[in-house]
Amino acid sequence: NAGVTQTPKFQVLKTGQSMTLQCAQDMNHNSMYWYRQDPGMGLRLIYYSASEGTTDKGEVPNGYNVSRLNKREFSLRLESAAPSQTSVYFCASSELGTGGYEQYFGPGTRLTVT
Amino acid sequence: AQTVTQSQPEMSVQEAETVTLTCTYDTSESDYYLFWYKQPPSRQMILVIRQEAYKQQNATENRFSVNFQKAAKSFSLKISDSQLGDAAMYFCAYISGNQFYFGTGTSLTVIP
Repeated sequence: NAGVTQTPKFQVLKTGQSMTLQCAQDMNHNSMYWYRQDPGMGLRLIYYSASEGTTDKGEVPNGYNVSRLNKREFSLRLESAAPSQTSVYFCASSELGTGGYEQYFGPGTRLTVT
Repeated sequence: AQTVTQSQPEMSVQEAETVTLTCTYDTSESDYYLFWYKQPPSRQMILVIRQEAYKQQNATENRFSVNFQKAAKSFSLKISDSQLGDAAMYFCAYISGNQFYFGTGTSLTVIP
């Protein structure tokens, strides 16, 4: 039982390059989330998917797109990376409505955009 | 807009002593959940304790307990008998329906 997994763990991009961060969970959760963590800012929600087939914007969605590929997988895409997107990205999953909304987090991806 | 405020960017505690981390939140909802998460240097987010707003009883998990004051919208975390392994960033979080907010964190240092 791996929980929430993310790939890659580290990535360096040049401005304008694109990439996709992958996330998968094996807990059969309906809901999945993408956060970014910046120094002094805590975690901010980028996008979430309350259930398979649905996605919604969070607090800071600009510059990102997401895909809920199936119940297990939720990817985050940067189409044209900018230095402001340098951050640590976390994926999380939970079962809304049961289990008290507890979110289980992946190990994070440290992204640097130069 | 809902917000979560942690007004202590850094705290320190002597090993075996007790420390309290504070958190306040702003909401117009009546049904919500509050969490404290711990983030050690490994970056992994670990759930410490959870509080359901409709429960008046304060949550407790071993050495960790909360002081939940719903009317004051306050949710503080007390760590008793602090251990070196408690050193980490601690985040307070508010979740209601599809709204998720984290505080900016408190960095806790444990002094041997």
